[in-house]
Amino acid sequence: DAGVIQSPRHEVTEMGQEVTLRCKPISGHNSLFWYRQTMMRGLELLIYFNNNVPIDDSGMPEDRFSAKMPNASFSTLKIQPSEPRDSAVYFCASSHLSLGPQDEQYFGPGTRLTVT
Amino acid sequence: AQTVTQSQPEMSVQEAETVTLSCTYDTSENNYYLFWYKQPPSRQMILVIRQEAYKQQNATENRFSVNFQKAAKSFSLKISDSQLGDTAMYFCAFMKQPGNQFYFGTGTSLTVIP
Repeated sequence: DAGVIQSPRHEVTEMGQEVTLRCKPISGHNSLFWYRQTMMRGLELLIYFNNNVPIDDSGMPEDRFSAKMPNASFSTLKIQPSEPRDSAVYFCASSHLSLGPQDEQYFGPGTRLTVT
Repeated sequence: AQTVTQSQPEMSVQEAETVTLSCTYDTSENNYYLFWYKQPPSRQMILVIRQEAYKQQNATENRFSVNFQKAAKSFSLKISDSQLGDTAMYFCAFMKQPGNQFYFGTGTSLTVIP
């Protein structure tokens, strides 16, 4: 398996522009998580989906952030308009939600976003 | 709400020595899992070890072992025979059961000194 795939790996954009981050979870996983990592705030959970349905988006900073999961193999995190304080590394992770022994979360390589 | 605390922002250890990273958590749940993840400079998050709360025996994975004290809500990671490749940020994480949401600590930056 290729693991969790994120694109792009690096994104540099100007303030006010729209940014779209993409994630392909591991095949067969039915839970997907978006995290943001900064030096100041560490690793923050933004939103997560179970079976393509958003379960908890309380970590989404504000209305400029939105996430979708149209199917089991694809998710997007969109920032519109972007601001310099959105600069961070954004991770996508996936896992298999089950009632048995819980699987770990598998992380993608992250997208480093720089907003100038 | 669940909280995870890692009180050591930075640590260092001599190569081949042993180091222990601390982690405490706060929860009212009885069924949960605990994890240690490693994040090397490559940024990739890698699972190091996991512990089921219902198991009294401490988990071990090669040079990595945990000291799980359920009553004290403590979950420390011991790295034996430290290697240069162990240099990384280490995150402690909590997950209640049922459910699959992780709660991460703020991380401990470990440097292995040659």
